[in-house]
Amino acid sequence: DAMVIQNPRYQVTQFGKPVTLSCSQTLNHNVMYWYQQKSSQAPKLLFHYYDKDFNNEADTPDNFQSRRPNTSFCFLDIRSPGLGDAAMYLCATSRVDRANTEAFFGQGTRLTVV
Amino acid sequence: DAKTTQPPSMDCAEGRAANLPCNHSTISGNEYVYWYRQIHSQGPQYIIHGLKNNETNEMASLIITEDRKSSTLILPHATLRDTAVYYCIVLVAVGGNRKFTFGMGTQVRVKL
Repeated sequence: DAMVIQNPRYQVTQFGKPVTLSCSQTLNHNVMYWYQQKSSQAPKLLFHYYDKDFNNEADTPDNFQSRRPNTSFCFLDIRSPGLGDAAMYLCATSRVDRANTEAFFGQGTRLTVV
Repeated sequence: DAKTTQPPSMDCAEGRAANLPCNHSTISGNEYVYWYRQIHSQGPQYIIHGLKNNETNEMASLIITEDRKSSTLILPHATLRDTAVYYCIVLVAVGGNRKFTFGMGTQVRVKL
């Protein structure tokens, strides 16, 4: 059973048109992460939520925002997608209140910008 | 979190053991070594992790050197389905700022 679910698997958006990617989890984990992975590159952490606390990576562009309305859901908003934002976007979850637990990843959403 | 260094690629024969090295010379005493793999166009998959003792599960074995500056992931009997990018990650065990940061990983190709 899928534990970290990303919808949709494939998303096409127009240049400059806001787009939202969604992630849900059934694990009740307190941390949720968003990664961007461009072709032939490693996943790059954009930001993460520890409960309701938002933690942005220093080099994440302002064009990327996130919302976490409750424990189960987290959204990635791209305000004005550019061609360079085409990538696979990965969501992951983890617990940090229990020692040495792993992160669980979703299958990703592949974003195409036209 | 400590940096990791892995070879960019390696080939191995199907049915043979695959030994994937990782250097993490700046690892701290409270940091664990995690291994993930990513099959093309899928999300990363957890394989195994450890602190200082060797670990084994149904997927792989993890050998950590006594000084903890390097480790080796062992796939005991590689199959074609093990072709993937393998990532070694080092991070602390607990804390709200715990982040899984990926290096470039090792592209493993299993061949007949």
